[in-house]
Amino acid sequence: EDQVTQSPEALRLQEGESSSLNCSYTVSGLRGLFWYRQDPGKGPEFLFTLYSAGEEKEKERLKATLTKKESFLHITAPKPEDSATYLCAVQAYNFNKFYFGSGTKLNVKP
Amino acid sequence: EAQVTQNPRYLITVTGKKLTVTCSQNMNHEYMSWYRQDPGLGLRQIYYSMNVEVTDKGDVPEGYKVSRKEKRNFPLILESPSPNQTSLYFCASRTGAGTEAFFGQGTRLTVV
Repeated sequence: EDQVTQSPEALRLQEGESSSLNCSYTVSGLRGLFWYRQDPGKGPEFLFTLYSAGEEKEKERLKATLTKKESFLHITAPKPEDSATYLCAVQAYNFNKFYFGSGTKLNVKP
Repeated sequence: EAQVTQNPRYLITVTGKKLTVTCSQNMNHEYMSWYRQDPGLGLRQIYYSMNVEVTDKGDVPEGYKVSRKEKRNFPLILESPSPNQTSLYFCASRTGAGTEAFFGQGTRLTVV
């Protein structure tokens, strides 16, 4: 069964305290793994796409990595404006089907 | 501005009263989808469409209908809403099969 699990469910960090979010998946024939950011009351906003194990993408304080079983979203020296829920989604063998994790709610305190 | 627009943003209705949530995108995207988001369950795909007049079921299609008569519009229809369809709904569109999705602002539906 195709499944995506994110951990932790919630994470509280002090400003500047680096950490990582995890997304583990069991999907038949991974086509792509997507990271999104969701702010309260808004739709998810795209961050990264990763397609193959070993691939890495960076954007400001965020860096996403991918292995055959999981992906990490590393947050370096976070700021309060990084507070949001981060969602992971995998695209399975059927290009049109996407499976989302339940998200990690990040709270960065000043 | 490139965007996906859903209406209404908030809706409270009664069991059994048919309703439609509209979704429109101005990016000329071929692919569109509907999701529902529930606490602890994440986003789950309801229906998707690859092009005009081409739609297919996602993981949780029961109780929903869709249509794609025009490329820009993808309405979600609840013929007889029930309380278990109370949820936050998102419409999304994307250019191609492997590309990122652009999401609307969401529709919070309550069925009493």
